[in-house]
Amino acid sequence: AQKVTQAQTEISVVEKEDVTLDCVYETRDTTYYLFWYKQPPSGELVFLIRRNSFDEQNEISGRYSWNFQKSTSSFNFTITASQVVDSAVYFCALSVPGSGGGADGLTFGKGTHLIIQP
Amino acid sequence: ETGVTQSPTHLIKTRGQQVTLRCSSQSGHNTVSWYQQALGQGPQFIFQYYREEENGRGNFPPRFSGLQFPNYSSELNVNALELDDSALYLCASSLVDRPRDTGELFFGEGSRLTVL
Repeated sequence: AQKVTQAQTEISVVEKEDVTLDCVYETRDTTYYLFWYKQPPSGELVFLIRRNSFDEQNEISGRYSWNFQKSTSSFNFTITASQVVDSAVYFCALSVPGSGGGADGLTFGKGTHLIIQP
Repeated sequence: ETGVTQSPTHLIKTRGQQVTLRCSSQSGHNTVSWYQQALGQGPQFIFQYYREEENGRGNFPPRFSGLQFPNYSSELNVNALELDDSALYLCASSLVDRPRDTGELFFGEGSRLTVL
């Protein structure tokens, strides 16, 4: 069974500070995918990134960066120079190829509510 | 904008009733999946349809059922509603090479169901 843990339920920082959201995952599969999604108050989950288990290169996209470490089963997300518009709930998720030919969907963590204060 | 639209956005039902939620997937996508998100929780996988057939299901009872149509639309049906069914129901579509894959999901804004 898969599991994703986001230990930080809520983080509050002042605008322009850097902030890191933690994600720890559990799976016995060697092939898997990790995701981050952003959920603003409107409810729609906005895709941010997908990484496969064979690619441990860290990634940077503008103010966003991701640190994938298989040794610690972590996939952490950092926002540099945070802005008020970054305020949202952020979810880390895990998927593995389904067994028996079917799909098992995404396993989500409980989310981290990020509050950026002006 | 993900190109995934859901209706209705909000609805209220009473316990024991039945509900149908609708979703229009992104054009060209061959899978649609549904997730239930209770307040303050992460979404939970209900099921996935690949080319109009259910090919994956999470830990949900049979009273949760669905359909996927050739025109990229889909439905989630829930019978015998219970109070715990109150949640945000999210539809997502993706394009996958193999039916056992989940792919990169594009989500709609969800349908918020309240069961009284």
